[in-house]
Amino acid sequence: DQQVKQNSPSLSVQEGRISILNCDYTNSMFDYFLWYKKYPAEGPTFLISISSIKDKNEDGRFTVFLNKSAKHLSLHIVPSQPGDSAVYFCAASANGGKLTFGTGTRLTIIP
Amino acid sequence: DTGVSQDPRHKITKRGQNVTFRCDPISEHNRLYWYRQTLGQGPEFLTYFQNEAQLEKSRLLSDRFSAERPKGSFSTLEIQRTEQGDSAMYLCASSYNTGELFFGEGSRLTVL
Repeated sequence: DQQVKQNSPSLSVQEGRISILNCDYTNSMFDYFLWYKKYPAEGPTFLISISSIKDKNEDGRFTVFLNKSAKHLSLHIVPSQPGDSAVYFCAASANGGKLTFGTGTRLTIIP
Repeated sequence: DTGVSQDPRHKITKRGQNVTFRCDPISEHNRLYWYRQTLGQGPEFLTYFQNEAQLEKSRLLSDRFSAERPKGSFSTLEIQRTEQGDSAMYLCASSYNTGELFFGEGSRLTVL
């Protein structure tokens, strides 16, 4: 039962353009959403989060949008840089409990 | 370095042997989590502790897996009678209450 889904296994974007990564969830109890970034041979690192009481959160080049009615969130990176090439995981939790992760999207930024 | 540390980074063992992984969380963090990740998948929840209490354990976790956090500081994850299907990256993370998780670099297990 995959409660958090990332349907695009990979994405390639030109340097300087916008990268949009998508995530869907099925559990309506989820109230906190996060994005993690992972480089090879390293653990995931926290990028940005959003509570279900908001629909947008911005941090520098990174913005997360939440559409609760559609059970969908997205991560926008603008402008995209070569160092952004990594695997991005969407994660969600309910009532301060454990994080449930998606399967990840591999982002490649083309110079 | 005050991040989450895991040991060993890589363990190769034969099927049927027992293995133990250790995790040292960020010192002020009261929550500690264990996840498992296989190729092409996201981290899969195994168990988590708040201080020394084990609050939740995945229903997918076999009885061969046991985790402890005896003094609410470091934690160990033991796998008994390893099987080839146990080969994975075992990730430890810590947090302060319900804040974001900070992950270690992982312990990669290869079962031959």
